Amino acid sequence: AQSVTQLDSHVSVSEGTPVLLRCNYSSSYSPSLFWYVQHPNKGLQLLLKYTSAATLVKGINGFEAEFKKSETSFHLTKPSAHMSDAAEYFCVVSNSGTYKYIFGTGTRLKVLA
Amino acid sequence: NAGVTQTPKFQVLKTGQSMTLQCAQDMNHNSMYWYRQDPGMGLRLIYYSASEGTTDKGEVPNGYNVSRLNKREFSLRLESAAPSQTSVYFCASSGQTGKSFSYNEQFFGPGTRLTVL
Repeated sequence: AQSVTQLDSHVSVSEGTPVLLRCNYSSSYSPSLFWYVQHPNKGLQLLLKYTSAATLVKGINGFEAEFKKSETSFHLTKPSAHMSDAAEYFCVVSNSGTYKYIFGTGTRLKVLA
Repeated sequence: NAGVTQTPKFQVLKTGQSMTLQCAQDMNHNSMYWYRQDPGMGLRLIYYSASEGTTDKGEVPNGYNVSRLNKREFSLRLESAAPSQTSVYFCASSGQTGKSFSYNEQFFGPGTRLTVL
């Protein structure tokens, strides 16, 4: 069975400092992994995705994530936080051959001036 | 190209009332999904439609019905609303690359905020 664990429900960083949002997954098969961002009262927007190509994935707005099979992790990072990064972030896993996407419970990122 | 659209944006119902949430996509995607979002619980799948003419239950289908009207449209119906159905509802769609649906990201609508009194 697939599952996703986002290890922190809230993360606070100062503007200009690095961001790390942690995600661990459980999957029986080779997974596809995604990070989405949701700004307040908005829908979800794709940041990046991993689909068995390069293990280091670059996304929009300077975000990137590294797929580590041995650690079953897909952590999201950004070198320097911006105020506009304040939002909720969701890690999502899907298995090949299924139509289902399993969402983590989300990490709310706060960026301090 | 509007992507995924949902109507209405907001709705207040009384317990026992019925309503239908509408969703449409203009990306020629095969698969469509309905989720609900509650604080601290992420998004939970209510129903999905892998392709036109098929629908399947997700994680939390009780109290809901769906209709895949055509390739573009996927509606969600609450027959007798309950306070536990107060939530934000998102519709999403995804395409297909090769044999696998799972490689492709989902595109989300802006959501419907539903309150059941």
